[in-house]
Amino acid sequence: ETGVTQTPRHLVMGMTNKKSLKCEQHLGHNAMYWYKQSAKKPLELMFVYNFKEQTENNSVPSRFSPECPNSSHLFLHLHTLQPEDSALYLCASSPKTDRGAYEQYFGPGTRLTVT
Amino acid sequence: RKEVEQDPGPFNVPEGATVAFNCTYSNSASQSFFWYRQDCRKEPKLLMSVYSSGNEDGRFTAQLNRASQYISLLIRDSKLSDSATYLCAVGSNAGKSTFGDGTTLTVKP
Repeated sequence: ETGVTQTPRHLVMGMTNKKSLKCEQHLGHNAMYWYKQSAKKPLELMFVYNFKEQTENNSVPSRFSPECPNSSHLFLHLHTLQPEDSALYLCASSPKTDRGAYEQYFGPGTRLTVT
Repeated sequence: RKEVEQDPGPFNVPEGATVAFNCTYSNSASQSFFWYRQDCRKEPKLLMSVYSSGNEDGRFTAQLNRASQYISLLIRDSKLSDSATYLCAVGSNAGKSTFGDGTTLTVKP
Protein backbone atom coordinates (compact mmCIF):
# COMPACT_ATOMS: atom_id res chain seq x y z
CA GLU A 1 0.00 0.00 0.00
CA THR A 2 1.28 3.46 -0.82
CA GLY A 3 0.86 6.97 0.54
CA VAL A 4 -0.84 7.75 3.81
CA THR A 5 -3.61 5.52 5.09
CA GLN A 6 -6.06 6.12 7.92
CA THR A 7 -8.46 3.85 9.73
CA PRO A 8 -11.28 3.87 10.37
CA ARG A 9 -12.68 6.09 7.63
CA HIS A 10 -15.86 6.75 9.57
CA LEU A 11 -16.48 6.59 13.30
CA VAL A 12 -19.53 7.27 15.42
CA MET A 13 -18.96 7.30 19.14
CA GLY A 14 -20.74 8.30 22.28
CA MET A 15 -19.33 10.84 24.67
CA THR A 16 -18.27 8.17 27.15
CA ASN A 17 -16.54 5.91 24.64
CA LYS A 18 -12.82 5.45 24.11
CA LYS A 19 -11.58 4.94 20.57
CA SER A 20 -8.37 5.33 18.61
CA LEU A 21 -7.61 6.62 15.13
CA LYS A 22 -4.72 5.09 13.26
CA CYS A 23 -2.49 6.55 10.60
CA GLU A 24 0.28 4.87 8.64
CA GLN A 25 2.58 6.40 6.07
CA HIS A 26 4.48 4.39 3.46
CA LEU A 27 6.52 7.30 2.12
CA GLY A 28 9.60 7.06 4.33
CA HIS A 29 8.87 10.48 5.82
CA ASN A 30 10.13 11.68 9.19
CA ALA A 31 7.34 13.97 10.33
CA MET A 32 3.68 13.23 10.98
CA TYR A 33 0.77 15.48 11.85
CA TRP A 34 -2.79 15.41 13.12
CA TYR A 35 -5.22 18.05 11.86
CA LYS A 36 -8.87 18.73 12.61
CA GLN A 37 -11.16 20.09 9.91
CA SER A 38 -14.64 21.15 10.96
CA ALA A 39 -17.38 22.18 8.59
CA LYS A 40 -16.71 25.58 7.05
CA LYS A 41 -13.55 26.03 9.14
CA PRO A 42 -9.90 25.94 8.13
CA LEU A 43 -7.54 23.13 8.90
CA GLU A 44 -6.45 23.25 12.53
CA LEU A 45 -3.09 21.76 13.40
CA MET A 46 -3.32 19.57 16.49
CA PHE A 47 -0.01 17.74 16.90
CA VAL A 48 3.34 17.43 15.15
CA TYR A 49 5.80 14.59 15.52
CA ASN A 50 9.29 14.77 14.09
CA PHE A 51 11.39 11.60 14.27
CA LYS A 52 8.83 10.20 16.76
CA GLU A 53 9.22 13.18 19.10
CA GLN A 54 6.28 15.48 19.67
CA THR A 55 7.34 18.96 18.63
CA GLU A 56 3.99 20.72 18.64
CA ASN A 57 0.85 20.53 20.75
CA ASN A 58 -1.43 23.26 19.55
CA SER A 59 -3.34 23.72 22.83
CA VAL A 60 -5.36 20.59 22.21
CA PRO A 61 -7.66 19.39 25.04
CA SER A 62 -6.38 16.38 26.95
CA ARG A 63 -9.29 14.25 25.74
CA PHE A 64 -7.16 13.90 22.58
CA SER A 65 -3.99 11.93 23.21
CA PRO A 66 -1.50 11.27 20.41
CA GLU A 67 0.95 8.41 20.22
CA CYS A 68 3.80 7.94 17.75
CA PRO A 69 5.52 4.58 18.27
CA ASN A 70 7.71 4.97 15.17
CA SER A 71 8.07 7.34 12.25
CA SER A 72 5.58 5.36 10.15
CA HIS A 73 2.68 5.14 12.59
CA LEU A 74 0.62 7.71 14.40
CA PHE A 75 -2.38 7.23 16.65
CA LEU A 76 -4.92 9.59 18.13
CA HIS A 77 -6.59 8.23 21.24
CA LEU A 78 -10.00 9.69 21.99
CA HIS A 79 -11.92 9.67 25.26
CA THR A 80 -14.88 11.55 26.72
CA LEU A 81 -15.31 13.62 23.58
CA GLN A 82 -17.87 16.36 23.12
CA PRO A 83 -20.30 16.79 20.21
CA GLU A 84 -18.28 19.80 19.02
CA ASP A 85 -15.37 17.42 18.44
CA SER A 86 -17.25 15.99 15.46
CA ALA A 87 -15.08 16.73 12.45
CA LEU A 88 -12.80 15.28 9.81
CA TYR A 89 -9.49 14.23 11.38
CA LEU A 90 -6.65 14.25 8.92
CA CYS A 91 -3.24 12.71 9.28
CA ALA A 92 -0.35 13.98 7.18
CA SER A 93 3.31 13.19 6.74
CA SER A 94 6.16 15.16 5.29
CA PRO A 95 9.78 14.79 4.30
CA LYS A 96 12.36 17.40 5.00
CA THR A 97 12.81 19.53 1.92
CA ASP A 98 15.96 21.33 0.98
CA ARG A 99 14.15 24.57 1.72
CA GLY A 100 13.82 23.66 5.37
CA ALA A 101 10.09 23.17 5.69
CA TYR A 102 7.72 20.65 4.52
CA GLU A 103 5.14 19.88 1.90
CA GLN A 104 2.58 17.56 3.38
CA TYR A 105 0.85 14.45 2.15
CA PHE A 106 -2.53 13.79 3.66
CA GLY A 107 -4.42 10.62 4.38
CA PRO A 108 -8.10 10.34 3.44
CA GLY A 109 -9.21 11.27 6.94
CA THR A 110 -11.50 9.83 9.57
CA ARG A 111 -14.93 11.41 9.69
CA LEU A 112 -15.86 11.40 13.37
CA THR A 113 -19.32 11.95 14.77
CA VAL A 114 -19.76 12.28 18.52
CA THR A 115 -23.29 11.62 19.72
CA ARG B 1 -5.11 39.22 12.28
CA LYS B 2 -4.92 35.70 10.91
CA GLU B 3 -1.49 34.30 10.13
CA VAL B 4 -2.59 33.32 6.64
CA GLU B 5 -5.45 35.02 4.81
CA GLN B 6 -6.94 34.09 1.47
CA ASP B 7 -9.37 35.71 -0.92
CA PRO B 8 -12.76 34.83 0.56
CA GLY B 9 -14.36 33.77 -2.71
CA PRO B 10 -16.27 31.95 -3.96
CA PHE B 11 -15.07 32.32 -7.50
CA ASN B 12 -17.50 31.30 -10.24
CA VAL B 13 -15.94 31.40 -13.69
CA PRO B 14 -16.76 30.01 -17.14
CA GLU B 15 -14.66 27.33 -18.74
CA GLY B 16 -11.61 28.77 -20.40
CA ALA B 17 -11.34 31.73 -18.05
CA THR B 18 -8.20 32.78 -16.24
CA VAL B 19 -8.55 33.08 -12.49
CA ALA B 20 -6.11 34.24 -9.82
CA PHE B 21 -6.08 33.68 -6.08
CA ASN B 22 -4.07 35.62 -3.55
CA CYS B 23 -2.91 34.67 -0.11
CA THR B 24 -1.17 36.95 2.41
CA TYR B 25 0.87 35.89 5.40
CA SER B 26 1.90 37.79 8.50
CA ASN B 27 5.12 36.07 9.59
CA SER B 28 7.99 37.60 7.69
CA ALA B 29 10.23 34.72 8.81
CA SER B 30 8.13 32.16 6.91
CA GLN B 31 10.30 29.82 4.89
CA SER B 32 8.14 27.84 2.53
CA PHE B 33 4.91 28.23 0.67
CA PHE B 34 2.48 25.82 -0.90
CA TRP B 35 -0.82 25.57 -2.71
CA TYR B 36 -3.08 22.62 -2.03
CA ARG B 37 -6.29 21.55 -3.69
CA GLN B 38 -9.15 20.02 -1.74
CA ASP B 39 -12.14 18.43 -3.40
CA CYS B 40 -15.43 18.16 -1.56
CA ARG B 41 -15.22 15.66 1.32
CA LYS B 42 -11.68 14.67 0.34
CA GLU B 43 -8.28 15.34 1.79
CA PRO B 44 -6.08 18.23 0.64
CA LYS B 45 -3.56 17.34 -2.04
CA LEU B 46 -0.40 19.22 -2.80
CA LEU B 47 -0.78 21.24 -5.97
CA MET B 48 2.46 23.19 -6.06
CA SER B 49 5.28 24.41 -3.94
CA VAL B 50 5.93 28.13 -4.42
CA TYR B 51 9.47 29.30 -4.96
CA SER B 52 10.94 32.79 -4.90
CA SER B 53 11.57 32.64 -8.62
CA GLY B 54 8.00 31.62 -9.32
CA ASN B 55 7.06 28.33 -10.86
CA GLU B 56 4.75 27.00 -13.49
CA ASP B 57 3.14 23.61 -13.99
CA GLY B 58 1.06 23.47 -17.13
CA ARG B 59 -1.88 25.83 -16.70
CA PHE B 60 -0.92 26.69 -13.13
CA THR B 61 1.52 29.44 -12.15
CA ALA B 62 2.52 30.27 -8.60
CA GLN B 63 4.29 33.44 -7.51
CA LEU B 64 5.82 34.59 -4.24
CA ASN B 65 6.28 38.22 -3.25
CA ARG B 66 8.31 38.30 -0.06
CA ALA B 67 8.37 42.09 0.18
CA SER B 68 4.58 42.28 0.25
CA GLN B 69 4.20 38.91 1.96
CA TYR B 70 1.81 37.28 -0.42
CA ILE B 71 1.63 34.31 -2.74
CA SER B 72 -0.59 33.90 -5.73
CA LEU B 73 -1.95 31.11 -7.89
CA LEU B 74 -2.97 31.70 -11.48
CA ILE B 75 -5.04 29.16 -13.38
CA ARG B 76 -5.27 29.62 -17.12
CA ASP B 77 -7.84 28.04 -19.45
CA SER B 78 -9.98 26.80 -16.55
CA LYS B 79 -11.48 23.33 -16.83
CA LEU B 80 -14.57 21.96 -15.15
CA SER B 81 -12.25 19.62 -13.25
CA ASP B 82 -10.50 22.59 -11.65
CA SER B 83 -13.56 23.15 -9.44
CA ALA B 84 -12.33 22.68 -5.89
CA THR B 85 -11.19 24.58 -2.82
CA TYR B 86 -7.66 25.92 -3.05
CA LEU B 87 -5.70 26.22 0.18
CA CYS B 88 -2.52 28.15 0.65
CA ALA B 89 -0.07 27.05 3.31
CA VAL B 90 2.89 28.82 4.82
CA GLY B 91 5.62 26.83 6.52
CA SER B 92 8.23 27.50 9.16
CA ASN B 93 11.53 25.81 9.80
CA ALA B 94 9.90 23.97 12.68
CA GLY B 95 8.06 21.89 10.12
CA LYS B 96 4.75 23.51 10.87
CA SER B 97 2.47 24.71 8.10
CA THR B 98 -0.33 27.17 8.69
CA PHE B 99 -3.22 26.91 6.27
CA GLY B 100 -5.55 29.56 4.99
CA ASP B 101 -9.31 29.20 5.06
CA GLY B 102 -9.38 28.22 1.40
CA THR B 103 -10.94 29.76 -1.69
CA THR B 104 -13.64 27.85 -3.51
CA LEU B 105 -13.58 27.81 -7.29
CA THR B 106 -16.47 26.68 -9.44
CA VAL B 107 -15.87 26.43 -13.16
CA LYS B 108 -19.09 26.38 -15.16
CA PRO B 109 -19.72 25.17 -18.71
